[in-house]
Amino acid sequence: NAGVTQTPKFQVLKTGQSMTLQCAQDMNHEYMSWYRQDPGMGLRLIHYSVGAGITDQGEVPNGYNVSRSTTEDFPLRLLSAAPSQTSVYFCASRAKTGWGTEAFFGQGTRLTVV
Amino acid sequence: AQSVTQLGSHVSVSEGALVLLRCNYSSSVPPYLFWYVQYPNQGLQLLLKYTSAATLVKGINGFEAEFKKSETSFHLTKPSAHMSDAAEYFCAVSGSGGYQKVTFGIGTKLQVIP
Repeated sequence: NAGVTQTPKFQVLKTGQSMTLQCAQDMNHEYMSWYRQDPGMGLRLIHYSVGAGITDQGEVPNGYNVSRSTTEDFPLRLLSAAPSQTSVYFCASRAKTGWGTEAFFGQGTRLTVV
Repeated sequence: AQSVTQLGSHVSVSEGALVLLRCNYSSSVPPYLFWYVQYPNQGLQLLLKYTSAATLVKGINGFEAEFKKSETSFHLTKPSAHMSDAAEYFCAVSGSGGYQKVTFGIGTKLQVIP
C-alpha cells in the first residue's frame, strides 16, 4: 500500500536550474496539492488540483508550475530555481467523497538551491 | 476566509505530564478541523479530525481534542506524555461543502523531558 510517493527525497540545485518534483498516489484521490514547509511558517499551499486537467494556484505559486494529466500524478516544476525556494516540499492527496476527508502526505522532498 | 492560530511554537512537558497544545480557528463557514503529527524527516499523518458529529474527538496514540464553537478553539490534549510523543503538531481547518482548501497553522514542536 504505497499511498503518496514523492521523488526525489533530496535535491541540490544551482540558481537558475529547473527541475520537476514527482508525486504519485495510488488511492484514486481526486484532490492533490503541493505545499512547502519553512521554519516558523507551517505549510503553505503552492498549487492544487481538483481532478485531471484542472489545476489552480494556492497562496505561494510564483516560480512553480503544475499539470495534472492523470488522476495519479501531480508533478511540480521549478522553472528557474532561486535560493528562496530552498524548502521542504510535500505533496498531499484527498478523496472527494465524504465530509471532511483528511489529506494523505508523501514523505517530502528536501530541496536546497545554492 | 479561514485561518488557524497555534499558540506556542515550542512546548515542553515532563514525561507523564498532561499535554495541551492550543489551536484557535477562524472560518466563515462551518469548519472541519484536523490535528496532524509530523515526526522528524517524515510527512504529516492524521491524529484526529472534527467533522461536526461529536464535539469531543478521540484520535490515535491517546490524543483527543474538543471543539468549542463559542471559543473557536480545538485544543489537543493527552493525559500523560510519552517520550514517543516528541514531534511537531499541526492544527488545520477547512470549510464544508465542495472543494475546500486546507489551511495549516505554523506548528507546535513538543519536547518531552524524561
